[in-house]
Amino acid sequence: DSGVTQTPKHLITATGQRVTLRCSPRSGDLSVYWYQQSLDQGLQFLIQYYNGEERAKGNILERFSAQQFPDLHSELNLSSLELGDSALYFCASSVDASRSFDTQYFGPGTRLTVL
Amino acid sequence: AQKITQTQPGMFVQEKEAVTLDCTYDTSDPSYGLFWYKQPSSGEMIFLIYQGSYDQQNATEGRYSLNFQKARKSANLVISASQLGDSAMYFCAMRESRDDKIIFGKGTRLHILP
Repeated sequence: DSGVTQTPKHLITATGQRVTLRCSPRSGDLSVYWYQQSLDQGLQFLIQYYNGEERAKGNILERFSAQQFPDLHSELNLSSLELGDSALYFCASSVDASRSFDTQYFGPGTRLTVL
Repeated sequence: AQKITQTQPGMFVQEKEAVTLDCTYDTSDPSYGLFWYKQPSSGEMIFLIYQGSYDQQNATEGRYSLNFQKARKSANLVISASQLGDSAMYFCAMRESRDDKIIFGKGTRLHILP
């Protein structure tokens, strides 16, 4: 158990819908990262928050957004869902994003299926 | 250009044998970190081992060791005395000091045979 929690574990929804994925980082970790894992794209970095502020953006679509709340939990919002958004979404957390050796610990993931 | 290359899409190894999973990387940043993660069929990503670019010694964590050859930009994972529970997907990853995200390779699927 990494200490990172994600809810829900599974999500099945229809095209055009909007969903929210939730992540609670490990106790003491200030940084939260979101990744998408799909069969064709592999593991792709989406976005990072550090202590409530957006820190870095990766291959995140405009239909996707995220935020980190004062209690440091984070939510990833996916809207106007398409079939291709079906993937495993991971949240990871780390203590201090400023160090290159800062290990990211991953949550169990949320498996999103868009029908 | 691909920054992390894992050339072995799949491997079959007999139980109790040692196994080496290959990883090469590409960066011009002198300060970076290299990571290996394990993803069993259940889906979670499990951190295994870390190697910093300035670390003089190869990292070890129990049965896992990282064979770090900086000049060759190679960071191979060695699993000693493999077990059936080692069957999983293994990802090599890198984080550069100028960037906060981790870049992952495409992974190697390891099958341990009884």
